[in-house]
Amino acid sequence: NAGVTQTPKFQVLKTGQSMTLQCAQDMNHEYMSWYRQDPGMGLRLIHYSVGAGITDQGEVPNGYNVSRSTTEDFPLRLLSAAPSQTSVYFCASSYPGQGIQYFGAGTRLSVL
Amino acid sequence: GQQVMQIPQYQHVQEGEDFTTYCNSSTTLSNIQWYKQRPGGHPVFLIQLVKSGEVKKQKRLTFQFGEAKKNSSLHITATQTTDVGTYFCAGPYDYKLSFGAGTTVTVRA
Repeated sequence: NAGVTQTPKFQVLKTGQSMTLQCAQDMNHEYMSWYRQDPGMGLRLIHYSVGAGITDQGEVPNGYNVSRSTTEDFPLRLLSAAPSQTSVYFCASSYPGQGIQYFGAGTRLSVL
Repeated sequence: GQQVMQIPQYQHVQEGEDFTTYCNSSTTLSNIQWYKQRPGGHPVFLIQLVKSGEVKKQKRLTFQFGEAKKNSSLHITATQTTDVGTYFCAGPYDYKLSFGAGTTVTVRA
């Protein structure tokens, strides 16, 4: 049972480049979310989805887009990368939204 | 901003000593969850508390939910090097889960 799978594990971007962080879960969870983790800031919610076709903004959504075309996948898009987006990104899923969160291994992103 | 506050941010502990980390919410919570993140790893669920005044134990870890359901604590007895990591509490707000900033624990052997 794979759980929550994130790709890539590491990524280096130049300022202005775009990219998509992938997240997939095989637990049939309705709720999926993206967090970023910065030193001393804990886990901050970027975007979340309560089911296929439904997404909403979290605490720090600017500069990021999401879509949810299937229950399994919830990609996070960086439109034009900025150094302030250097962070560790975690995808999580749960059923329901306030239930136990299962996290992926994370993507460590550096924007130069 | 974060609805859940955790203190202390850092905890440096001598191996074998006890310590406690605290979590406080601005509003009453239906439940509170605790997670542990090892260095370089991802957060992993430890426990969920639901009832007022509830106390749960996992080996050397004791979790408590306050009577007013607005605070929680994690007490670790006889700290070991395996306890190193960041401990997060999380509470539900507006159908989402809000995480505290975490308590990062280091252990001196």
